[in-house]
Amino acid sequence: SQKIEQNSEALNIQEGKTATLTCNYTNYSPAYLQWYRQDPGRGPVFLLLIRENEKEKRKERLKVTFDTTLKQSLFHITASQPADSATYLCALDTGRRALTFGSGTRLQVQP
Amino acid sequence: EPEVTQTPSHQVTQMGQEVILRCVPISNHLYFYWYRQILGQKVEFLVSFYNNEISEKSEIFDDQFSVERPDGSNFTLKIRSTKLEDSAMYFCASSEETTAGNTIYFGEGSWLTVV
Repeated sequence: SQKIEQNSEALNIQEGKTATLTCNYTNYSPAYLQWYRQDPGRGPVFLLLIRENEKEKRKERLKVTFDTTLKQSLFHITASQPADSATYLCALDTGRRALTFGSGTRLQVQP
Repeated sequence: EPEVTQTPSHQVTQMGQEVILRCVPISNHLYFYWYRQILGQKVEFLVSFYNNEISEKSEIFDDQFSVERPDGSNFTLKIRSTKLEDSAMYFCASSEETTAGNTIYFGEGSWLTVV
């Protein structure tokens, strides 16, 4: 069956460090992979999209990599800040206009 | 920044009652979606809508659910006879074209509690 796994339920890091979140998938051939931020009680907010033929994408302090051989995406936040504390969701898009979300990783950045 | 707006933000309903959740997608967007998130669980796709018809739906979206675009701005989700397990946050979303390669914008959600 199709499965998306995000590396851990929670990740605690110190302010200023780089946070690295992992998204692994099985039995998919996604055309695109997206990362979202979700704060408690709020809707997901789009952060970055990476296509299957792209290896890396950057936006300000965010970086996403996509390895279709390993079936894995890594999401990095450099120079992390307490305001980055949230749940981060990865979502796969097979091109059918229906995103499949992972369960998310809750990031806590300690001041 | 344009946004997707949803009403109500919270609704409590009796089991078996009909519920309509309303959404105003971003004005120039062509694709509309409903997702739901049961407390503590993943965000799950329900349905996508384009050109006044459903383009994709999940197994969750059974005959109890329907969607409608009654006018040029609103997009609604109706649950005909609510069950306890329908309690969840329902998110409306929209995108300019398909989700593939385009940003999908989510609303803040409508929290439905079925008692």
